[in-house]
Amino acid sequence: AQKVTQAQTEISVVEKEDVTLDCVYETRDTTYYLFWYKQPPSGELVFLIRRNSFDEQNEISGRYSWNFQKSTSSFNFTITASQVVDSAVYFCALRGGNSGGSNYKLTFGKGTLLTVNP
Amino acid sequence: NAGVTQTPKFQVLKTGQSMTLQCAQDMNHEYMSWYRQDPGMGLRLIHYSVGAGITDQGEVPNGYNVSRSTTEDFPLRLLSAAPSQTSVYFCASSSEWSGNTIYFGEGSWLTVV
Repeated sequence: AQKVTQAQTEISVVEKEDVTLDCVYETRDTTYYLFWYKQPPSGELVFLIRRNSFDEQNEISGRYSWNFQKSTSSFNFTITASQVVDSAVYFCALRGGNSGGSNYKLTFGKGTLLTVNP
Repeated sequence: NAGVTQTPKFQVLKTGQSMTLQCAQDMNHEYMSWYRQDPGMGLRLIHYSVGAGITDQGEVPNGYNVSRSTTEDFPLRLLSAAPSQTSVYFCASSSEWSGNTIYFGEGSWLTVV
């Protein structure tokens, strides 16, 4: 069975602070994919990043960066110099990649509500 | 640039009524799925499809039916709505050739009274 744990239910920061959202996953698949999605107050799910299990390079996109560590089964997300517009619920998700017909289902964490105060 | 389109966006039903949530995608994705989002629960998979004519159950399928007669459409049917089905519903699609990134519709807010 697959599992994604986002231990932080809510985080509140002041604008311009850096913030890291934690994600720990469990899977028996040797190939898998990890995702981060943003859900702003308007409710839609916005895709942020996909990481393949065989690519452990960290990635930076503007103020966003992701730290993937297979040794600790973690895929953490850092926002540098946070802004009010970053306020949202952030979901980490896992998709298995082994054969078996169920490879295209996402297992979600319960989400972290990030509030950035001015 | 439609992507995944869900209708309706908001719906109020009475207990026992039936309804269909529509989902269409214009990206020629073979994989489609329905999730529900409840407070504190994240998103949970209801049903999914790996191609036209093929559907399967996800984590929480009870009370829902699906069909996939075309690649583009994947409707979700509630045959006899119950208050426990009050939730936000998301349709999603993906494809191997699109790098397996899963794209979501804008969500459908359903209230059963």
